[in-house]
Amino acid sequence: DAGVIQSPRHEVTEMGQEVTLRCKPISGHDYLFWYRQTMMRGLELLIYFNNNVPIDDSGMPEDRFSAKMPNASFSTLKIQPSEPRDSAVYFCASSSGQGQFLNYGYTFGSGTRLTVV
Amino acid sequence: DAKTTQPPSMDCAEGRAANLPCNHSTISGNEYVYWYRQIHSQGPQYIIHGLKNNETNEMASLIITEDRKSSTLILPHATLRDTAVYYCIVRVVTSGTYKYIFGTGTRLKVLA
Repeated sequence: DAGVIQSPRHEVTEMGQEVTLRCKPISGHDYLFWYRQTMMRGLELLIYFNNNVPIDDSGMPEDRFSAKMPNASFSTLKIQPSEPRDSAVYFCASSSGQGQFLNYGYTFGSGTRLTVV
Repeated sequence: DAKTTQPPSMDCAEGRAANLPCNHSTISGNEYVYWYRQIHSQGPQYIIHGLKNNETNEMASLIITEDRKSSTLILPHATLRDTAVYYCIVRVVTSGTYKYIFGTGTRLKVLA
């Protein structure tokens, strides 16, 4: 299995532009999670899906952030408009079985490093 | 809220055991303790988890105190590839939803 695949690995964009981050979960996993990691705040959960349905989006910072999961094999995290304070590493993770529990099988992708200038 | 406290950094000689402590004094009785690590420029990686008994797998051992207020992750023979940030994680309930708090972790440096 190729694991959780995120693209792009790096993204540099100008303030005000729309940014779309992509994630392909592990086949068969029914939970998908989006995290953001910064030096100041560490690793934060933004939103998670179960069977393509958003379950908890309380971690989404503001309305500029949106996430979708149109099917079991693809999810996007969109920021519109982007701001310099959105600069961070964004991780996608997926899991199955016991779902949101951080057990063996809860797998993170390699992340997308976003820089907004 | 159940939160964790870890030392910000530790050094360990290659081949020696690395013992990483974590305080989780407010953990509730039925919540697990999880350990993950993050090697530079990679996503976090699962290591081990436990409830009240000591646990061991091919990567590490987890020792949980009887009162469950603290735990220690043990890497029995640390290698240079074990250099990473190690997170002790518990689940908290915030506004009726569960969240895992990763905290700032312990930066372990394995020295040759």
